[in-house]
Amino acid sequence: DAGIIQSPKHEVTEMGQTVTLRCEPIFGHNFLFWYRDTFVQGLELLSYFRSRSIIDNAGMPTERFSAERPDGSFSTLKIQPAEQGDSAVYVCALELTQYFGPGTRLTVL
Amino acid sequence: AQKVTQAQTEISVVEKEDVTLDCVYETRDTTYYLFWYKQPPSGELVFLIRRNSFDEQNEISGRYSWNFQKSTSSFNFTITASQVVDSAVYFCALSVNFGNEKLTFGTGTRLTIIP
Repeated sequence: DAGIIQSPKHEVTEMGQTVTLRCEPIFGHNFLFWYRDTFVQGLELLSYFRSRSIIDNAGMPTERFSAERPDGSFSTLKIQPAEQGDSAVYVCALELTQYFGPGTRLTVL
Repeated sequence: AQKVTQAQTEISVVEKEDVTLDCVYETRDTTYYLFWYKQPPSGELVFLIRRNSFDEQNEISGRYSWNFQKSTSSFNFTITASQVVDSAVYFCALSVNFGNEKLTFGTGTRLTIIP
Protein backbone atom coordinates (compact mmCIF):
# COMPACT_ATOMS: atom_id res chain seq x y z
CA ASP A 1 0.00 0.00 0.00
CA ALA A 2 1.70 3.15 -1.25
CA GLY A 3 -0.65 5.43 0.63
CA ILE A 4 -2.27 7.12 -2.35
CA ILE A 5 -5.98 7.69 -2.63
CA GLN A 6 -7.38 8.33 -6.07
CA SER A 7 -10.99 9.27 -6.55
CA PRO A 8 -13.24 8.34 -8.10
CA LYS A 9 -12.23 4.80 -8.89
CA HIS A 10 -14.36 4.80 -12.00
CA GLU A 11 -15.88 7.79 -13.73
CA VAL A 12 -18.38 7.55 -16.56
CA THR A 13 -19.22 10.80 -18.24
CA GLU A 14 -20.50 12.14 -21.53
CA MET A 15 -18.73 14.10 -24.18
CA GLY A 16 -18.58 17.77 -23.39
CA GLN A 17 -18.73 17.35 -19.63
CA THR A 18 -16.06 18.46 -17.18
CA VAL A 19 -14.22 15.72 -15.34
CA THR A 20 -12.13 16.25 -12.22
CA LEU A 21 -9.89 13.48 -10.94
CA ARG A 22 -8.29 13.66 -7.53
CA CYS A 23 -5.06 12.28 -6.11
CA GLU A 24 -4.42 12.45 -2.39
CA PRO A 25 -1.19 11.16 -0.86
CA ILE A 26 -1.72 9.97 2.68
CA PHE A 27 1.77 11.11 3.64
CA GLY A 28 3.55 14.19 2.42
CA HIS A 29 5.62 13.84 -0.71
CA ASN A 30 7.44 16.49 -2.65
CA PHE A 31 7.02 15.15 -6.19
CA LEU A 32 3.66 14.11 -7.60
CA PHE A 33 3.11 12.73 -11.10
CA TRP A 34 0.06 12.20 -13.30
CA TYR A 35 0.24 9.41 -15.88
CA ARG A 36 -2.29 8.13 -18.40
CA ASP A 37 -2.57 4.48 -19.37
CA THR A 38 -4.38 4.10 -22.68
CA PHE A 39 -3.46 0.41 -22.99
CA VAL A 40 -2.41 1.13 -26.57
CA GLN A 41 0.48 3.47 -26.02
CA GLY A 42 1.26 2.37 -22.50
CA LEU A 43 1.89 4.79 -19.66
CA GLU A 44 2.40 8.40 -20.66
CA LEU A 45 3.46 11.17 -18.33
CA LEU A 46 1.00 14.04 -18.39
CA SER A 47 2.32 16.41 -15.75
CA TYR A 48 4.27 16.52 -12.54
CA PHE A 49 4.76 18.77 -9.55
CA ARG A 50 7.43 19.59 -7.05
CA SER A 51 5.48 20.79 -4.07
CA ARG A 52 2.82 23.09 -5.52
CA SER A 53 4.76 24.05 -8.66
CA ILE A 54 4.30 22.38 -12.03
CA ILE A 55 7.68 21.20 -13.25
CA ASP A 56 6.64 19.76 -16.58
CA ASN A 57 3.32 20.08 -18.34
CA ALA A 58 4.50 19.03 -21.78
CA GLY A 59 2.75 15.69 -21.68
CA MET A 60 -0.72 17.16 -21.46
CA PRO A 61 -2.38 16.16 -24.74
CA THR A 62 -4.38 19.35 -25.22
CA GLU A 63 -5.40 22.53 -23.46
CA ARG A 64 -8.49 20.71 -22.32
CA PHE A 65 -6.30 19.11 -19.67
CA SER A 66 -5.11 20.98 -16.59
CA ALA A 67 -3.59 19.95 -13.29
CA GLU A 68 -3.28 21.73 -9.97
CA ARG A 69 -1.69 21.10 -6.62
CA PRO A 70 -2.73 24.19 -4.72
CA ASP A 71 -1.21 23.44 -1.31
CA GLY A 72 1.45 20.93 -2.27
CA SER A 73 -0.46 17.92 -0.98
CA PHE A 74 -3.43 16.66 -2.99
CA SER A 75 -3.70 17.25 -6.72
CA THR A 76 -6.52 17.44 -9.24
CA LEU A 77 -6.51 16.67 -12.94
CA LYS A 78 -9.30 18.35 -14.88
CA ILE A 79 -10.50 17.57 -18.37
CA GLN A 80 -12.77 20.23 -19.80
CA PRO A 81 -14.57 19.33 -22.01
CA ALA A 82 -14.11 15.56 -22.08
CA GLU A 83 -13.90 13.70 -25.39
CA GLN A 84 -14.22 10.01 -26.18
CA GLY A 85 -10.53 9.72 -26.85
CA ASP A 86 -9.84 10.68 -23.25
CA SER A 87 -11.10 7.31 -22.02
CA ALA A 88 -8.18 5.72 -20.16
CA VAL A 89 -6.90 4.97 -16.68
CA TYR A 90 -5.34 8.00 -15.02
CA VAL A 91 -2.67 7.13 -12.48
CA CYS A 92 -1.10 9.30 -9.83
CA ALA A 93 2.40 8.54 -8.58
CA LEU A 94 4.69 9.92 -5.89
CA GLU A 95 8.34 10.79 -5.78
CA LEU A 96 10.98 8.21 -6.45
CA THR A 97 8.30 6.78 -8.76
CA GLN A 98 8.14 3.62 -6.77
CA TYR A 99 4.67 4.46 -5.56
CA PHE A 100 1.71 4.42 -7.85
CA GLY A 101 -1.94 4.97 -7.00
CA PRO A 102 -4.65 2.53 -8.03
CA GLY A 103 -5.78 4.79 -10.86
CA THR A 104 -9.09 6.22 -11.98
CA ARG A 105 -10.73 4.55 -14.95
CA LEU A 106 -12.40 7.23 -17.04
CA THR A 107 -14.99 6.31 -19.64
CA VAL A 108 -16.30 9.03 -21.91
CA LEU A 109 -19.44 8.05 -23.78
CA ALA B 1 14.83 12.43 -25.62
CA GLN B 2 14.47 9.09 -23.97
CA LYS B 3 12.90 5.98 -25.41
CA VAL B 4 12.14 2.54 -24.05
CA THR B 5 11.30 -0.35 -26.34
CA GLN B 6 9.66 -3.58 -25.26
CA ALA B 7 9.44 -5.46 -28.51
CA GLN B 8 7.51 -8.39 -27.06
CA THR B 9 3.87 -7.41 -26.90
CA GLU B 10 2.63 -10.72 -25.54
CA ILE B 11 4.33 -13.86 -24.26
CA SER B 12 2.76 -17.12 -23.14
CA VAL B 13 4.68 -19.87 -21.43
CA VAL B 14 3.73 -23.01 -19.57
CA GLU B 15 4.07 -22.92 -15.82
CA LYS B 16 7.55 -23.72 -14.49
CA GLU B 17 9.24 -22.59 -17.66
CA ASP B 18 11.72 -19.72 -17.55
CA VAL B 19 10.86 -16.57 -19.45
CA THR B 20 12.83 -13.46 -20.33
CA LEU B 21 11.26 -10.08 -21.01
CA ASP B 22 13.33 -7.77 -23.15
CA CYS B 23 13.87 -4.06 -22.63
CA VAL B 24 16.01 -1.79 -24.79
CA TYR B 25 16.45 1.86 -23.94
CA GLU B 26 17.80 5.01 -25.56
CA THR B 27 19.20 8.05 -23.82
CA ARG B 28 22.04 10.49 -24.29
CA ASP B 29 22.42 11.02 -20.59
CA THR B 30 25.24 9.27 -18.79
CA THR B 31 23.34 9.13 -15.53
CA TYR B 32 20.04 7.36 -15.69
CA TYR B 33 17.87 4.88 -13.86
CA LEU B 34 16.07 1.84 -15.12
CA PHE B 35 12.95 0.35 -13.61
CA TRP B 36 10.71 -2.64 -13.95
CA TYR B 37 7.08 -2.60 -12.82
CA LYS B 38 4.46 -5.33 -12.69
CA GLN B 39 0.83 -4.56 -13.44
CA PRO B 40 -1.34 -7.49 -12.29
CA PRO B 41 -4.98 -7.83 -13.37
CA SER B 42 -5.99 -5.59 -10.48
CA GLY B 43 -4.35 -2.74 -12.41
CA GLU B 44 -2.09 -1.20 -9.81
CA LEU B 45 1.55 -0.82 -10.75
CA VAL B 46 3.97 -2.64 -8.47
CA PHE B 47 7.59 -1.59 -8.29
CA LEU B 48 10.06 -4.44 -8.86
CA ILE B 49 13.49 -2.91 -9.24
CA ARG B 50 15.45 0.29 -9.83
CA ARG B 51 18.97 0.19 -11.18
CA ASN B 52 21.28 3.15 -11.83
CA SER B 53 23.51 3.43 -14.86
CA PHE B 54 26.71 3.01 -12.88
CA ASP B 55 25.79 -0.35 -11.49
CA GLU B 56 25.98 -3.08 -14.10
CA GLN B 57 25.88 -5.93 -11.66
CA ASN B 58 23.11 -8.34 -12.34
CA GLU B 59 20.46 -8.59 -9.69
CA ILE B 60 18.66 -11.64 -8.40
CA SER B 61 15.65 -11.60 -6.15
CA GLY B 62 14.08 -14.98 -5.62
CA ARG B 63 12.81 -16.21 -8.97
CA TYR B 64 13.43 -12.80 -10.57
CA SER B 65 16.67 -11.70 -12.11
CA TRP B 66 17.75 -8.71 -14.16
CA ASN B 67 20.53 -8.46 -16.70
CA PHE B 68 21.79 -4.92 -17.32
CA GLN B 69 24.04 -4.56 -20.37
CA LYS B 70 25.13 -0.99 -21.12
CA SER B 71 26.92 -2.14 -24.26
CA THR B 72 23.61 -3.14 -25.81
CA SER B 73 21.43 -0.65 -23.86
CA SER B 74 19.35 -3.48 -22.52
CA PHE B 75 17.84 -4.27 -19.16
CA ASN B 76 16.21 -7.67 -19.49
CA PHE B 77 14.08 -9.37 -16.87
CA THR B 78 13.99 -13.13 -16.35
CA ILE B 79 11.47 -15.09 -14.33
CA THR B 80 12.69 -18.55 -13.40
CA ALA B 81 10.25 -21.39 -12.81
CA SER B 82 7.28 -19.23 -13.73
CA GLN B 83 4.04 -19.43 -11.80
CA VAL B 84 0.49 -18.54 -12.69
CA VAL B 85 0.68 -15.57 -10.29
CA ASP B 86 3.37 -14.10 -12.52
CA SER B 87 0.74 -13.43 -15.19
CA ALA B 88 0.64 -9.67 -15.62
CA VAL B 89 1.75 -6.82 -17.82
CA TYR B 90 5.37 -5.86 -17.17
CA PHE B 91 6.68 -2.39 -17.90
CA CYS B 92 10.25 -1.29 -18.28
CA ALA B 93 10.94 2.40 -17.65
CA LEU B 94 13.75 4.93 -17.75
CA SER B 95 14.46 8.09 -15.78
CA VAL B 96 17.38 10.42 -16.35
CA ASN B 97 17.33 12.53 -13.23
CA PHE B 98 17.17 11.11 -9.73
CA GLY B 99 14.93 13.24 -7.58
CA ASN B 100 13.30 14.53 -10.72
CA GLU B 101 11.97 11.17 -11.59
CA LYS B 102 9.93 11.61 -14.70
CA LEU B 103 9.61 8.14 -16.16
CA THR B 104 9.55 7.13 -19.78
CA PHE B 105 7.76 3.82 -20.07
CA GLY B 106 7.91 1.05 -22.62
CA THR B 107 4.60 -0.17 -24.01
CA GLY B 108 4.63 -3.22 -21.77
CA THR B 109 4.76 -6.98 -22.27
CA ARG B 110 1.72 -9.05 -21.38
CA LEU B 111 2.91 -12.29 -19.83
CA THR B 112 0.54 -15.21 -19.52
CA ILE B 113 1.55 -18.27 -17.57
CA ILE B 114 -0.41 -21.32 -18.65
CA PRO B 115 -1.12 -23.81 -15.88
